[in-house]
Amino acid sequence: GQQLNQSPQSMFIQEGEDVSMNCTSSSIFNTWLWYKQDPGEGPVLLIALYKAGELTSNGRLTAQFGITRKDSFLNISASIPSDVGIYFCAGVIIQGAQKLVFGQGTRLTINP
Amino acid sequence: GAGVSQSPSNKVTEKGKDVELRCDPISGHTALYWYRQSLGQGLEFLIYFQGNSAPDKSGLPSDRFSAERTGGSVSTLTIQRTQQEDSAVYLCASSYRRGGLQETQYFGPGTRLLVL
Repeated sequence: GQQLNQSPQSMFIQEGEDVSMNCTSSSIFNTWLWYKQDPGEGPVLLIALYKAGELTSNGRLTAQFGITRKDSFLNISASIPSDVGIYFCAGVIIQGAQKLVFGQGTRLTINP
Repeated sequence: GAGVSQSPSNKVTEKGKDVELRCDPISGHTALYWYRQSLGQGLEFLIYFQGNSAPDKSGLPSDRFSAERTGGSVSTLTIQRTQQEDSAVYLCASSYRRGGLQETQYFGPGTRLLVL
């Protein structure tokens, strides 16, 4: 089946540092999504990417949809303590139904 | 509240018992999804309901898993004869269909199932 490979699996950084994580796939997706999950909560959508090559920002977050439609990255600039959590990439495999295929997640820990 | 709610928040059961997990989607959302999240893993699609259409059950891992959606709203995920490998967080999401496409999925907080 379709799988997303997300890296790194975990990151330990100092507050104020920039963060970068990425996802790759052997399959093409029409839409890439980035979610954040806090402990004990469900994932919350951060950024949605719809066009190959698209670069989208949401505050300190920036994400890009790869030209080949098989990869995406998420950058977080000037990290703050509330950025702690698990970040997931997800690809949309059926546009109408929006069934999602998730990466394994990147666990972000920030040292104050 | 206006979000997706799930109950119970935690469930501990013995191997072999049946469990029922409930999801209340956002009012007006026509689509409802169930996902499973094992420890340290991403979310795994289980089943999808859209309006009155037949559900997409392609992600259910075995015939011990089933789900219903009554009246186009509340959904119940049932796991029969639970096994230890069923231990996971079960997440529900709902979304609204507009112009032939599903909008953003909003997730509930999940039910943490532990099978002893």
